[in-house]
Amino acid sequence: DGGITQSPKYLFRKEGQNVTLSCEQNLNHDAMYWYRQDPGQGLRLIYYSQIVNDFQKGDIAEGYSVSREKKESFPLTVTSAQKNPTAFYLCASSPSSGTQNEQFFGPGTRLTVL
Amino acid sequence: GQSLEQPSEVTAVEGAIVQINCTYQTSGFYGLSWYQQHDGGAPTFLSYNALDGLEETGRFSSFLSRSDSYGYLLLQELQMKDSASYFCAVRDIYNFNKFYFGSGTKLNVKP
Repeated sequence: DGGITQSPKYLFRKEGQNVTLSCEQNLNHDAMYWYRQDPGQGLRLIYYSQIVNDFQKGDIAEGYSVSREKKESFPLTVTSAQKNPTAFYLCASSPSSGTQNEQFFGPGTRLTVL
Repeated sequence: GQSLEQPSEVTAVEGAIVQINCTYQTSGFYGLSWYQQHDGGAPTFLSYNALDGLEETGRFSSFLSRSDSYGYLLLQELQMKDSASYFCAVRDIYNFNKFYFGSGTKLNVKP
């Protein structure tokens, strides 16, 4: 089955700690994304990557970091510099070419800072 | 930049028809997409309009008018399971790998 997996589903963190959220895809997509979603709100882009070893900041990158060492994997680290990290985090991927216009989303990770 | 506006909430009864609007201001985009998200779940792709006009997929239809900077999602024969949030989205014409999402419309379907 092709798709995107995120782990863990729920994550609790103490203030001041860094935490890394996992995202893996087996769809052979070049592009991968991280979004943040707050209650009752839309999706805000944190980082995206168009190809291995390359990534760009989205609209709310401060306090976050990413890496793209493998095509299949795009982990997100929420650092202690992120002042309000409690949110629902969604990873997505899409083809980088052609006429497809769909993003495929993982099930999400709900992060709570205690 | 890109800006997409949607109503925050819509309520309709089972069996009815509902239209969810999306107005946008963009510097250029490839087309308008729609996603559905149930509470606590992941967004799933519903439809895409590359050109002006109506696209139909079963009970769902989507419309785009570039001259009016406007699109909508039409849901017919509403079912309780259609209660979810619906997002419009565009793909940036200057950066093919960048998407912008509206703030979402929460649809409440009542018996």
